[in-house]
Amino acid sequence: GQNIDQPTEMTATEGAIVQINCTYQTSGFNGLFWYQQHAGEAPTFLSYNVLDGLEEKGRFSSFLSRSKGYSYLLLKELQMKDSASYLCAAGGGNKLTFGTGTQLKVEL
Amino acid sequence: GAVVSQHPSRVICKSGTSVKIECRSLDFQATTMFWYRQFPKQSLMLMATSNEGSKATYEQGVEKDKFLINHASLTLSTLTVTSAHPEDSSFYICSQRGLAGGLRETQYFGPGTRLLVL
Repeated sequence: GQNIDQPTEMTATEGAIVQINCTYQTSGFNGLFWYQQHAGEAPTFLSYNVLDGLEEKGRFSSFLSRSKGYSYLLLKELQMKDSASYLCAAGGGNKLTFGTGTQLKVEL
Repeated sequence: GAVVSQHPSRVICKSGTSVKIECRSLDFQATTMFWYRQFPKQSLMLMATSNEGSKATYEQGVEKDKFLINHASLTLSTLTVTSAHPEDSSFYICSQRGLAGGLRETQYFGPGTRLLVL
C-alpha cells in the first residue's frame, strides 16, 4: 500500500532555516515530489527527486534517500510569504500519493 | 510548467442538483488528466484518472456513477457531480502531467473548484 508521513505543523522565524521531513512507503516508486499550497489555492510544484541526494533550487532544497524511504524539504532565509502547507507526494506508477501536508507558520 | 485552467472557481448549489467542472490544458495536449478532491485540512485524494477517448479509471471507493468524467478532447476533461449532497462539498482539483525540467515529469494543478452544496 501507500503511506506518507509528515509533521502536521511547524513554526519558524523569518530569516531562519526550516527542514520538513517526510517518510514514505509506496509500490513502484518513481519519484518524490514537494508542493506548496496556500490556503484556498491549488498546490504548486516545488521539487522532484528520483535519485538519492540533494537538489538545490534557490532558497529551497530537497533531499531523498530511497533506501530509507525518507525525504526532506529545506527552506532557507524564510519569508513571511513562505507560510503555507507543504505537501510531500510519492510517485508510484502514474499516480501521486500525497501526505496530509505540513502547515508552516513563519513568524517575525 | 504546464498551464491548467478550471471553471468555475466556485459554485454553490442546492442538494440534488448536478454540477459540471471543466478542466482545460492550455499549453499542450493532455492524454491523461487527474481529478483530486481535498477536504479542509486534509490531503489531496485522487478520485480518478481521466483518459482521452476512453473510460476514466476510478480509485477505490469513488462512485463512478456519481462522479462522471468525460475526456472528449486532448485539452478538456470534465467532472460532473451528479445529485450533489452536502457531503460532496469539497475542493476539486484537476491536474495534468508536465515536464519539471529535462525529462523529469511531474503533475501541474489547476486552480481548483470549491463546491458548496446546501
